[in-house]
Amino acid sequence: SQQGEEDPQALSIQEGENATMNCSYKTSINNLQWYRQNSGRGLVHLILIRSNEREKHSGRLRVTLDTSKKSSSLLITASRAADTASYFCATDAVNSGGYQKVTFGTGTKLQVIP
Amino acid sequence: NAGVMQNPRHLVRRRGQEARLRCSPMKGHSHVYWYRQLPEEGLKFMVYLQKENIIDESGMPKERFSAEFPKEGPSILRIQQVVRGDSAAYFCASSPLQGVGVLTFGAGSRLTVL
Repeated sequence: SQQGEEDPQALSIQEGENATMNCSYKTSINNLQWYRQNSGRGLVHLILIRSNEREKHSGRLRVTLDTSKKSSSLLITASRAADTASYFCATDAVNSGGYQKVTFGTGTKLQVIP
Repeated sequence: NAGVMQNPRHLVRRRGQEARLRCSPMKGHSHVYWYRQLPEEGLKFMVYLQKENIIDESGMPKERFSAEFPKEGPSILRIQQVVRGDSAAYFCASSPLQGVGVLTFGAGSRLTVL
């Protein structure tokens, strides 16, 4: 089953606006990551936030993590048409077998209109 | 550094044939993950392998699917007697160490079953 659920499923904004995507998960995690996927391509890692961190920045990206609510958000500021892609959160947890497992959410499809 | 290499990029098979998908991880990476993605959906975990070991195959159907990561050579995902429902994009990702979390993805192999 999917660990993460992204919200919204799809988002359409004008260039220059900010885009916010949310992710909820179910179990305890070591860290949470966000990936981007352009249509027809593989996923590209954007940012990783550890379970003991609350906020992290990378360029125009800002990620927050609330482990008490088991949720995270990805904010893209001053969006560009080139940001059009699907965005996935991924949770990294050690499972009952004692090894790491990275599980992906369902994704948010972002369209930035020029 | 060639990154994660997957081949073939596109594969067409008729029902009942076999599909073999190959993944060469990044140099220095000894952990390989396979994911399946249906159109407009997220990534579904299939199997996690280290060299010569299957660590977690909980996401892989028990029948017709198998995976290996030999001491020498690429990881191979094998689907026997393919059916139309196997049509999907299959992504491979690698990481250097367990617990690091960040995955590097290949461009994917798109399987179409006629």
